[in-house]
Amino acid sequence: NAGVTQTPKFQVLKTGQSMTLQCAQDMNHNSMYWYRQDPGMGLRLIYYSASEGTTDKGEVPNGYNVSRLNKREFSLRLESAAPSQTSVYFCASRLLRVTVDGYTFGSGTRLTVV
Amino acid sequence: ILNVEQSPQSLHVQEGDSTNFTCSFPSSNFYALHWYRWETAKSPEALFVMTLNGDEKKKGRISATLNTKEGYSYLYIKGSQPEDSATYLCAFMMDSSYKLIFGSGTRLLVRP
Repeated sequence: NAGVTQTPKFQVLKTGQSMTLQCAQDMNHNSMYWYRQDPGMGLRLIYYSASEGTTDKGEVPNGYNVSRLNKREFSLRLESAAPSQTSVYFCASRLLRVTVDGYTFGSGTRLTVV
Repeated sequence: ILNVEQSPQSLHVQEGDSTNFTCSFPSSNFYALHWYRWETAKSPEALFVMTLNGDEKKKGRISATLNTKEGYSYLYIKGSQPEDSATYLCAFMMDSSYKLIFGSGTRLLVRP
């Protein structure tokens, strides 16, 4: 099993460009999440999808959109990239047993906006 | 704004030392508390999910305790080894929410 797969691993964008970060999990997990990690700060939730067909905003949703394409895939889109979006992005997933299961994380996407 | 605080921010110990870190979280609307281990250049890996006041979890030399009434959890590592070097994250989950709020982590370096 691959777990949670994120693509790409690295990306450099110019200000104003758009791109989509892809995330797929093969564990039949119900919930999926996008976090960003910045130096000196904890992981901050951008958007999440509690189950297929639903998406909700997290702590820092501005400048992002998401699509839960199916149960396996949850993509994050930057419509017009800004330098403040330079960060490491992590996708995570979890079964719906909130009191038992930890999250499974992907290996991250390092994004630089110049 | 929910705040999850971890202390210390970083810790250097000698191989064989035992150590512990603290995670503080809101004591109201508690649902679950997660601990993760995050090695450099890897993804965070779940250590424990804790839900009950007084809960204690153990995995090898690592253990954790939980006090939901006062809003804190301790993570203990007994006889630290260089391979324990990592950032340890805690994360708080409120009831009726699917969202985890992460602390900024405690970075542990174990010197041989």
